[in-house]
Amino acid sequence: DTAVSQTPKYLVTQMGNDKSIKCEQNLGHDTMYWYKQDSKKFLKIMFSYNNKELIINETVPNRFSPKSPDKAHLNLHINSLELGDSAVYFCASSQGTTRDNQPQHFGDGTRLSIL
Amino acid sequence: AQSVTQLGSHVSVSEGALVLLRCNYSSSVPPYLFWYVQYPNQGLQLLLKYTTGATLVKGINGFEAEFKKSETSFHLTKPSAHMSDAAEYFCAVTRTGGFKTIFGAGTRLFVKA
Repeated sequence: DTAVSQTPKYLVTQMGNDKSIKCEQNLGHDTMYWYKQDSKKFLKIMFSYNNKELIINETVPNRFSPKSPDKAHLNLHINSLELGDSAVYFCASSQGTTRDNQPQHFGDGTRLSIL
Repeated sequence: AQSVTQLGSHVSVSEGALVLLRCNYSSSVPPYLFWYVQYPNQGLQLLLKYTTGATLVKGINGFEAEFKKSETSFHLTKPSAHMSDAAEYFCAVTRTGGFKTIFGAGTRLFVKA
């Protein structure tokens, strides 16, 4: 019973396509996050939702759009994929926000490769 | 704004030797500090965290870290390295009252037999 699960695990697609990554957590947490990890392992926050409300919206291209249908799900849709979007995308969740000093629980990542 | 610096992108130790991974932070207000570990093809897992109170924090797998405010450091140690400790380690900081967690660039730990 995986706590934070992402699908798909691997995503290989052509430049210009539109794709979605799904994330679900069964921990009962109320905050979810999307991170991008580049080839040098640098981890950068992209978005965060708390109780379905967007609380972090970093400077990312507007081709990236998060959607949180409920507290247990946070999906990431990417339009017009570019070569620079190749990375590992991690979903995470926490009980409360980082203001509450709560650690984050991470999924195993989605490895996106753009051809 | 807060930031995190991890000294050394790669650290190599022999099995049974002391592990020391360095982390320095900057924050204008008291920070919350974390160490996470990432094994290959997996997400990050929490090793330990510092909030307030005791400055020596014990985590899982025999790791511990000491918060030193005067040095703005939160170094991670383990007395005796095991082969299974080989992984990427991330130090992270959250400003009290802030929403974002800032991660360091990571330190890759190699353990030699």
